[in-house]
Amino acid sequence: DSGVTQTPKHLITATGQRVTLRCSPRSGDLSVYWYQQSLDQGLQFLIQYYNGEERAKGNILERFSAQQFPDLHSELNLSSLELGDSALYFCASSSTGGLDTQYFGPGTRLTVL
Amino acid sequence: EDQVTQSPEALRLQEGESSSLNCSYTVSGLRGLFWYRQDPGKGPEFLFTLYSAGEEKEKERLKATLTKKESFLHITAPKPEDSATYLCAVQAKTGNQFYFGTGTSLTVIP
Repeated sequence: DSGVTQTPKHLITATGQRVTLRCSPRSGDLSVYWYQQSLDQGLQFLIQYYNGEERAKGNILERFSAQQFPDLHSELNLSSLELGDSALYFCASSSTGGLDTQYFGPGTRLTVL
Repeated sequence: EDQVTQSPEALRLQEGESSSLNCSYTVSGLRGLFWYRQDPGKGPEFLFTLYSAGEEKEKERLKATLTKKESFLHITAPKPEDSATYLCAVQAKTGNQFYFGTGTSLTVIP
């Protein structure tokens, strides 16, 4: 157990819908990262937050947005969902957001029908 | 274009048969190179961070090395419990983005 929690574990929804994935980092960690893992593209970095501020941005679609709240939990919002958005979404946390170790959560499996 | 390529895609070893996994990368300024282990249906588990060419790190049966263009993960006398997918990732200095390879799926046969 990495100490990072993600909810829900599974999510099934329809095309065009909007969903919110939630992540609670390890106690004391200030930085949160979001990743998407699909069978054909592997693990893709989406975005990083550090203490509430955006620090780095990957290939995150405009339909996707994220934020980190004052209590340091983070949410990833996915809207106008398409079939291709079906994937495992991982959250990771680290203490400083630099080159320190990232601890990954168990993931949320999103299925878009 | 920043990218990470891992080879081979899959590797089957007999227990005790040592081998190496390769990670080649092109990135506009390397901040760090990371190795992770991922078991099916689980999140990646951190193994090593390497910062500069010539650096080496070891943990149990695993040893990671780094050159200016590639990294190797050497597995010595592997055991069945080492079976997993091994992922390599780099962080670029520009934009601090992370790039992952598609992984090497390792199976160790008893």
